[in-house]
This record gives sequence, structure tokens and C-alpha cells, in this order.
Amino acid sequence: NAGVTQTPKFQVLKTGQSMTLQCAQDMNHNSMYWYRQDPGMGLRLIYYSASEGTTDKGEVPNGYNVSRLNKREFSLRLESAAPSQTSVYFCASSEARYYGYTFGSGTRLTVV
Amino acid sequence: AQTVTQSQPEMSVQEAETVTLSCTYDTSESNYYLFWYKQPPSRQMILVIRQEAYKQQNATENRFSVNFQKAAKSFSLKISDSQLGDTAMYFCAFIHAGKSTFGDGTTLTVKP
Repeated sequence: NAGVTQTPKFQVLKTGQSMTLQCAQDMNHNSMYWYRQDPGMGLRLIYYSASEGTTDKGEVPNGYNVSRLNKREFSLRLESAAPSQTSVYFCASSEARYYGYTFGSGTRLTVV
Repeated sequence: AQTVTQSQPEMSVQEAETVTLSCTYDTSESNYYLFWYKQPPSRQMILVIRQEAYKQQNATENRFSVNFQKAAKSFSLKISDSQLGDTAMYFCAFIHAGKSTFGDGTTLTVKP
């Protein structure tokens, strides 16, 4: 049982490049989330999807877009990467919004 | 907006002893959920314990227990019989209406 799978694990981008972070869960969870974690800080919510077909902004949505492709998959896109987006990105899922989250192993993104 | 404060950036404890990590939060909501997550050096986020605000009984999971004081908006984590594998960063999280707020974390080192 894989849980939450994120790809890639590491990525280096040049300023202005675009990329999509992929996330898939195999636990039949309704809710999925994207977070970023900056050094020495907690996680900040970028976007979340309470159920298939819906997405909502979190605390720090600027510069990002998301797609809830189906119940399993929730992708995060950076259209024009900036150095301020250098961070570790985590995808998570939960059976319902109030249940504990299952996290992926993270993507370390560096924008130069 | 909710805030979560972890006032102890770093703590250490001797193996087999007990340690308490503090967390306070600020909210005007009455129904919410609180979590403690562990992040070891592997970077994986692991759910430690969950507390529902409408339940007065403190949650317990094996060696981990919480002291939830709703009126004081306090949610501390007690780790009993500390083990070397407990060395990690610990995050307190508040969740309401699908949105989460994480504290900046406490780095716990268990010494042999």
C-alpha cells in the first residue's frame, strides 16, 4: 500500500520555467492538500481539494495553480517559477477534512 | 485567522525520561481539531496524535498523550519513556473548515 506518492523528489528550475508536481493517493481519500515548508518553519497550505471536482485557496496560493484530475490525483503547477518558491512541497490526503492527514515524502524544489 | 505558537524551538531529553512540548493557539471557533505531527530527518510527516475540540477527554496513543485545555487554548504533547527514535521535529496543527495552521515546530533531541 503506497499511501501518498509525490513526483519528483527533487527538482531544480530556472527562474521563469514552469513545472507540475504530481501527487497520487491510493487510499480512496476524499480530500487532498498541497503545502510548502520553508526552512525552520511549519507547513503552509497552498491549495486544497475537499472532494473530486472542487479546489480552494489556502494561505499562500499566489503563483500556483492546481488540478484535481480525479479522486486519486491532485497536481500543483508553477507557471513561472520564482526564487521565492524555493521550498519543500508536501502533498497530503485525508478521508475527511477533520481527520489526520497522510503525507507524501515531499519534493525539494530549488529555483535559481 | 488562526495562529499556532510553539514557544520552544529546541528541547532535549534523556532516553527513558518524560518530556512535554507546548503548543498554544488562538481562534474564535468552537469546533476544530488539533494534531501533533512528527518529522524525523527523513522529512516524512507522521501523525502522532489527534484531539477533537468537543471532546474533553485527553487523547492518548501509547507513550504519547496530550493535555488539552480548551479555555486556555493550550494543547501540549507529553512523551513518556523517550526513545532515540523520537528524535525529530514536532509540529502542532489546528484545523477548522478544511483549512490548517501549523506551528513553526519544536526540535526534540533524545540523548542516550
